[in-house]
Amino acid sequence: GAGVSQTPSNKVTEKGKYVELRCDPISGHTALYWYRQSLGQGPEFLIYFQGTGAADDSGLPNDRFFAVRPEGSVSTLKIQRTERGDSAVYLCASSPRTLQEQFFGPGTRLTVL
Amino acid sequence: QQQVKQSPQSLIVQKGGISIINCAYENTAFDYFPWYQQFPGKGPALLIAIRPDVSEKKEGRFTISFNKSAKQFSLHIMDSQPGDSATYFCAATGTRGSNYKLTFGKGTLLTVNP
Repeated sequence: GAGVSQTPSNKVTEKGKYVELRCDPISGHTALYWYRQSLGQGPEFLIYFQGTGAADDSGLPNDRFFAVRPEGSVSTLKIQRTERGDSAVYLCASSPRTLQEQFFGPGTRLTVL
Repeated sequence: QQQVKQSPQSLIVQKGGISIINCAYENTAFDYFPWYQQFPGKGPALLIAIRPDVSEKKEGRFTISFNKSAKQFSLHIMDSQPGDSATYFCAATGTRGSNYKLTFGKGTLLTVNP
């Protein structure tokens, strides 16, 4: 079956612009996670959805970052007024409610010039 | 505050050798410890995972050893192959509740020479 997909695969933007990153989880997976991976580092947790609601957004670095999952499937990570320090690979993962295993997408590489 | 410390940062082994990567954690609420493998341009993929009720878990050439009292766990790759060359991440999470957000180590870049 299809895995987690993320679009776009690469995004180049200018400082100050707004970007949206999309995640399509595995069908039927109720849990969805966003992580950010900086160069040479492990992924860092951003936000967790169980169904439509953000159950834990403690990893979002500031209020320029926001994520939604309106129908409990596709999720969009939104970054306002992008800064050069936002440059990273943004990873999405999904899992069935009852399992700890998370299935990761290929990520979106964001570059802020 | 880094809650999962991973070493070494990089590792070079010869084909057929044993690769060993070590991790240590601080949070005693962690009770699920997966290892992920990541190839360039790809997302992390689950390799093997362990819970603290066992001291060792083996799947094929991959073995996790777990020391609960020392809060340490390690990945052993037996008969390492060039195709194993990748970045390996240890991770940890607590499983009380439904939020299984992972805390990752910084990764180990493994190179297996032919």
